[in-house]
Amino acid sequence: DQQVKQNSPSLSVQEGRISILNCDYTNSMFDYFLWYKKYPAEGPTFLISISSIKDKNEDGRFTVFLNKSAKHLSLHIVPSQPGDSAVYFCAASFQGAQKLVFGQGTRLTINP
Amino acid sequence: DTEVTQTPKHLVMGMTNKKSLKCEQHMGHRAMYWYKQKAKKPPELMFVYSYEKLSINESVPSRFSPECPNSSLLNLHLHALQPEDSALYLCASSQSGTEVDEQYFGPGTRLTVT
Repeated sequence: DQQVKQNSPSLSVQEGRISILNCDYTNSMFDYFLWYKKYPAEGPTFLISISSIKDKNEDGRFTVFLNKSAKHLSLHIVPSQPGDSAVYFCAASFQGAQKLVFGQGTRLTINP
Repeated sequence: DTEVTQTPKHLVMGMTNKKSLKCEQHMGHRAMYWYKQKAKKPPELMFVYSYEKLSINESVPSRFSPECPNSSLLNLHLHALQPEDSALYLCASSQSGTEVDEQYFGPGTRLTVT
């Protein structure tokens, strides 16, 4: 039972445009969500998080939106840069759990 | 110092060998984690240590044995592994020892079992 789903295995975006990565979850107990970026042969790098008391969190070029009723979150990157090319993982948890459940990842490619 | 370090970067071992993976953080984080990641898959949690005590074991086979000698160090002892255990082993740490928090990952150890 996959509780966190990233339905797009890959996404290609032109440099300078907006990249939108999507993530859906099924467990209504999840109340904390994170996005990680991973380059090949490296560990995941934390990007941004959001708790369920908010519907938006912004950090520089990265914004995460949370729609609790739809059990959906998205990561917006604007403007997209070549260095953003990586695999992006969405992860979810709930308070007291200490455990992150990861989605399958989306490979983002930024084209010049 | 805001990083998690792991040694070795690469490890090749036979099925009868005993080896250890090491992880270190100096951020004062109270929780440390071992994950396993296979190619094109997300990281899978193996173990969690909170305040140097094992708090989560995700039904990992006993051929993997974690150890937390102190608040900055985490080891994973390997014995009698199988070829299907070949994977990237990631260590992570987080500030809170009790609540979910951002986890910071090391670069991983690429393990190959022959």
